[in-house]
Amino acid sequence: AQSVTQLDSQVPVFEEAPVELRCNYSSSVSVYLFWYVQYPNQGLQLLLKYLSGSTLVKGINGFEAEFNKSQTSFHLRKPSVHISDTAEYFCAVFSGNTGKLIFGQGTTLQVKP
Amino acid sequence: ETGVTQSPTHLIKTRGQQVTLRCSSQSGHNTVSWYQQALGQGPQFIFQYYREEENGRGNFPPRFSGLQFPNYSSELNVNALELDDSALYLCASSHNNEQFFGPGTRLTVL
Repeated sequence: AQSVTQLDSQVPVFEEAPVELRCNYSSSVSVYLFWYVQYPNQGLQLLLKYLSGSTLVKGINGFEAEFNKSQTSFHLRKPSVHISDTAEYFCAVFSGNTGKLIFGQGTTLQVKP
Repeated sequence: ETGVTQSPTHLIKTRGQQVTLRCSSQSGHNTVSWYQQALGQGPQFIFQYYREEENGRGNFPPRFSGLQFPNYSSELNVNALELDDSALYLCASSHNNEQFFGPGTRLTVL
């Protein structure tokens, strides 16, 4: 069975500092991996996705993630965060067999001035 | 291009009542999935519809049911509401293994 573990429930960081949000997955088949952001009282917005090809994926708002098959990880990074990046971030794996996304529990990114 | 829309945005019901939530998929997307997001949790897959047929179901009881219409819009129905059904309900339409989410419906069960 596929699963996703987000290793940090909360990540506090100062503005303009770099940040990494960690995600590990388990899957016995080829995976499609996603990061979504959720701002308060809103739905999910896609940040980036890995379907195939280059393991370094660039997304919106300056975020990037690296797919590491040997470590079964898909960590999200940003070199310099802004106050506006404060939100909930979800890592997800797509199950091709069932057509569903399996989400992690989420990581709250708190950017402080 | 119109994105995924959901209605209503907020809803308050009491235990035992029934509720219907609605979703309009993005133009050209024939697959719709529904997710339940409890407070402080990640979304959980409820079920998926493809061309008006249920195409996969998560670990939810039968009182959660759905429909998809010929225009690919969809409904989520929940009967005999329980307090634990209070959550944000998200609809997503799919294209090329990517799911596009609507803003959600916040359901509160009192």
